[in-house]
Amino acid sequence: AQSVTQLGSHVSVSEGALVLLRCNYSSSVPPYLFWYVQYPNQGLQLLLKYTSAATLVKGINGFEAEFKKSETSFHLTKPSAHMSDAAEYFCAVSGGNSGTYKYIFGTGTRLKVLA
Amino acid sequence: EPEVTQTPSHQVTQMGQEVILRCVPISNHLYFYWYRQILGQKVEFLVSFYNNEISEKSEIFDDQFSVERPDGSNFTLKIRSTKLEDSAMYFCASSEISPGNTIYFGEGSWLTVV
Repeated sequence: AQSVTQLGSHVSVSEGALVLLRCNYSSSVPPYLFWYVQYPNQGLQLLLKYTSAATLVKGINGFEAEFKKSETSFHLTKPSAHMSDAAEYFCAVSGGNSGTYKYIFGTGTRLKVLA
Repeated sequence: EPEVTQTPSHQVTQMGQEVILRCVPISNHLYFYWYRQILGQKVEFLVSFYNNEISEKSEIFDDQFSVERPDGSNFTLKIRSTKLEDSAMYFCASSEISPGNTIYFGEGSWLTVV
């Protein structure tokens, strides 16, 4: 079955430091991949998505992610963390083996930004 | 920007009671979904709905759950007899029909079963 794995349920970085949130997918057919952010007591907001165009995808708030087929990865990065980036981040997959539109979410990574 | 709206934002109900969560998807979208998130856990797929019928459902979506599109704008999730373990945030979402299209989520309805 199609799935995503997010390594690290909690990540802490200092303000201004690089943010790296890891996501690996399982699918023999390249799927569509997404990163969503959830601020406390709020819904899910799309950061960026990969849909088989450019492998380096730029999103909102300075985030980007690179699709690496050889590593089955779609890690999320941001060069310089800001206090406002503190939130939970979810990687999601759709399409691929399943051929469906629904998303399968990872378990999430809570990002803490230290002053 | 168009958005998915959900009501109520928070509902407290007694175990065994019926609950209906309501959603207004984005107007030109054709695919509708319900997801749930138990506190501190991941977002889980419940059901997708297209062309007035369920297109896919998870094993969570058992006989106590049902969905309906009663008119041209609303999309509802009914839980017939709530259990304590149904306490969660329920997200409605919608998307256009093509694979890879973004799914837009509402702000969620927080259900507490006591």
